[in-house]
Amino acid sequence: AQSVTQLDSHVSVSEGTPVLLRCNYSSSYSPSLFWYVQHPNKGLQLLLKYTSAATLVKGINGFEAEFKKSETSFHLTKPSAHMSDAAEYFCVVDNYGQNFVFGPGTRLSVLP
Amino acid sequence: DGGITQSPKYLFRKEGQNVTLSCEQNLNHDAMYWYRQDPGQGLRLIYYSQIVNDFQKGDIAEGYSVSREKKESFPLTVTSAQKNPTAFYLCASSRSDRGHRNTEAFFGQGTRLTVV
Repeated sequence: AQSVTQLDSHVSVSEGTPVLLRCNYSSSYSPSLFWYVQHPNKGLQLLLKYTSAATLVKGINGFEAEFKKSETSFHLTKPSAHMSDAAEYFCVVDNYGQNFVFGPGTRLSVLP
Repeated sequence: DGGITQSPKYLFRKEGQNVTLSCEQNLNHDAMYWYRQDPGQGLRLIYYSQIVNDFQKGDIAEGYSVSREKKESFPLTVTSAQKNPTAFYLCASSRSDRGHRNTEAFFGQGTRLTVV
């Protein structure tokens, strides 16, 4: 089965500074990869997805991620954090078309 | 509007009781999933279904049961055998090529189950 590692359980940034949330996956092939965001007591919203097209993927709300096969990474970035970005972020891998495997999540705090 | 509807939003259960969580989708997706979320943890897969009348156990299926009699519905029953059922439960659906890549999953708003 696939697996996903999110290297930081909590990231704290100041408003207006860049955001980097790290994700590494374990796979025997190039899977589909996703980033989701979850606000408290809510469902999950898709930020962006990689499905073997362009390796630099742009998503909603100014987020983007780069697929690096050599590093088995799919890090999420945003040039300038906004207070509304404070939430839980999940890196997700498609598990051979059967289901989805989630990373443990990274909680992003944005300081004024 | 297309989407996934979970009900109820909050559910309280007495110990020893079975409860059923509802999940309905009108996205015409073949695949549906149930995940459990506990504080500070990611989502863990309970059951999934790639097609009507067929479903598979996920990583933490013990104490849970499901059915998939209709494409749009995938109810989850939390049985009395589940020792620690208090959690946030999320239902999702996706288009699937079964054995190939999944498209993205669409999630409901979740059901928070509390054992009292």
